[in-house]
Parts: sequence; structure tokens; C-alpha cells
Amino acid sequence: QLQLQESGPGLVKPSETLSLTCTVSDGSISSSTYYWGWIRQPPGKGLEWIASIYFSGSTHYNPSLKSRATISIDTSKNQFSLNLTSVTASDTAVYYCARPYVSVQLDGFDIWGQGIRVTVSS
Amino acid sequence: QSALTQPASVSGSPGQSITISCTGTSSDVGGYNYVSWYQHHPGKAPKLIIYDVNNRPSGVSNRFSGSKSGNTASLTISGLQSEDEADYYCSSYTRSSTLLFGGGTELTVL
Repeated sequence: QLQLQESGPGLVKPSETLSLTCTVSDGSISSSTYYWGWIRQPPGKGLEWIASIYFSGSTHYNPSLKSRATISIDTSKNQFSLNLTSVTASDTAVYYCARPYVSVQLDGFDIWGQGIRVTVSS
Repeated sequence: QSALTQPASVSGSPGQSITISCTGTSSDVGGYNYVSWYQHHPGKAPKLIIYDVNNRPSGVSNRFSGSKSGNTASLTISGLQSEDEADYYCSSYTRSSTLLFGGGTELTVL
């Protein structure tokens, strides 16, 4: 069963860049035609889709975050990553990486990482 | 892009059925059959319960069902059980090739 695991700093200073990595295990990130995505949940708020990347490198972004977010994929390490620049307190959230149930589709995430809590504070 | 509109909360008694609505526009919910529903227990990762409007992933109870009419999608949970108490989110693919989540609905089993 494919598994995802987020990693990165739990605390980031305002105006700095948040960098997160999702490691894929028990499966290859490049052997199948799936999108890989990042979703977050700020405290007390709902889920927010951030970005998704196809195994070939094609990307899609939430328009509200597009200017600050970069999603990338490293097939040699079986990982994909998220960089979010110029963070503020409003970027404090639990960040999840996930993969959809159906290949070639953006939506319908059925495999999720456990989530990583990121706090933006000085 | 604005979040899809869901009721903030719904409630029901064990054994009853409840329905949660998810309203968007013709650019998202109404324009594509790519609506998903998630069950989210606090502290855990969300669980996909419906994809492509009315399909259940393998292993999901048939007490969960989805439908769509115009710009509004719906999730129905029949035979309510205490473990169904959770937050529920809808999501939809959009015309801009992005994804949009609903604001979430808190389900209370009385």
C-alpha cells in the first residue's frame, strides 16, 4: 500500500520560505500517471488545496497562492516538494500531501500523509 | 476563487439519514462530474468517501452516497452511526483546472 510522509520545519519565521517534502514509499512516484498534491488546514478553518503536480512535471496552483507557491517533483528521490515564500501568520496550518484515487485526475485524494503542523512565528 | 458553500452544521439521530449540500457554480460543480466528498475526524487525515459525484472508493460503506443537480452536489449518509460524527468537505474541479473545497460541515450524531 502506497504511503506518503511529510517532512519539514515545524516553525518558520515571518517573511521566510516554508519548504516541505513528501516522501512516497511502497510505490514509485514516476511509474504511474497520477497527480500529487498539497492541501492545508489552518487552525479552526477548512481544507484548502494548494497545488498539484503530474508525474511528468505539469503543475496546477491555487490562484490565491500561485505567486508564492512552487511545487516540484524529484523522481530520483521518490519525493515531491512545496515551497511557499514570504510566509505570514495566515500560513500557519497543518499541511498534507496526498494522491488521488483515480489516475490522471486532479481531485479525489484517497492517499494522504499524516500531516505536518507548521507554525509561522518569530 | 471562493469556497464552495456548505452548511456549517447538520445533525441527526442514530439510524436516521442526513444530507449535506455543496453549492458552487457552472464553472465548477455544475460544469464537471468531478465532485468529491471527504470525512475528516480531528487529528486524522481526511478520508475520501465519494469521488466523481457518486462513486465510492473500495472499502467505503454503502451508507454514503453522492448526487448532483445543477450547481449543487449532495452527500447523503443513511443509517447514521456515532462514528459518522466528523467534519465533511466537498471539493470540485474547476474550469481553471484548479480544485476548490467547500467550507466544511460539522455533523453531530445526537
